[in-house]
Amino acid sequence: QVQLQQSGPGLVKPSQSLSLTCAISGDSVSSNSAAWNWIRQSPSRGLEWLGRTYYRSKWYNDYAVSVKSRISINPDTSKNQFSLQLNSVTPEDTAIYYCATGNYYMDVWGKGTTVTVSS
Amino acid sequence: EIVMTQSPATLSVSPGERASLSCRASQSISIYLAWYQQKPGQAPRLLIYGASTRATGIPPRFSGSGSGTEFTLTISSLQSEDFAVYYCQQYDNWPRTFGQGTKVEIK
Repeated sequence: QVQLQQSGPGLVKPSQSLSLTCAISGDSVSSNSAAWNWIRQSPSRGLEWLGRTYYRSKWYNDYAVSVKSRISINPDTSKNQFSLQLNSVTPEDTAIYYCATGNYYMDVWGKGTTVTVSS
Repeated sequence: EIVMTQSPATLSVSPGERASLSCRASQSISIYLAWYQQKPGQAPRLLIYGASTRATGIPPRFSGSGSGTEFTLTISSLQSEDFAVYYCQQYDNWPRTFGQGTKVEIK
């Protein structure tokens, strides 16, 4: 049974970078059959898929167009986790951020991290 | 991107009654649709994928149907723990997109 444990700060200043980590148990970030996603939820935007990383003999990433210029999702094989970095944040990036596993639909979700962008 | 539209926004149902939730895609997505349940303060939980296949551990009172652009989630006899918000998500195309949700509340 895969479990995902999220960590990271809940408050980020405007123009700075948001960084969150998702630790994986019960599977490997390097699995050739899994994909590791970040999704956020806000009252104004609803549920919004942000991007994913996955390994198929080499590492791949897919990102939503809405954040493509600001986002980076990276695996950390030594710690069996993956991370989200979102640069140049504004108050519109205030949301609950979830990590989740799934190639198509999201099988398992982390508990979520509420991130507020405010000075 | 594919727009997912759910209706109604809120559904008031008495315990033991049947609930039918609708999800419409802006273009055909075959059967590449998932349904999630979200309770306050919790992450969404996968209920249905492939439009009609229940995820592991999901009770049979939850059923999904539809294909193309029209989909339905039916809860045959609402239990107290089923009052929540339900979301649909398409995975036929990128980016993956979600509906805005239907809140099922106690009548």
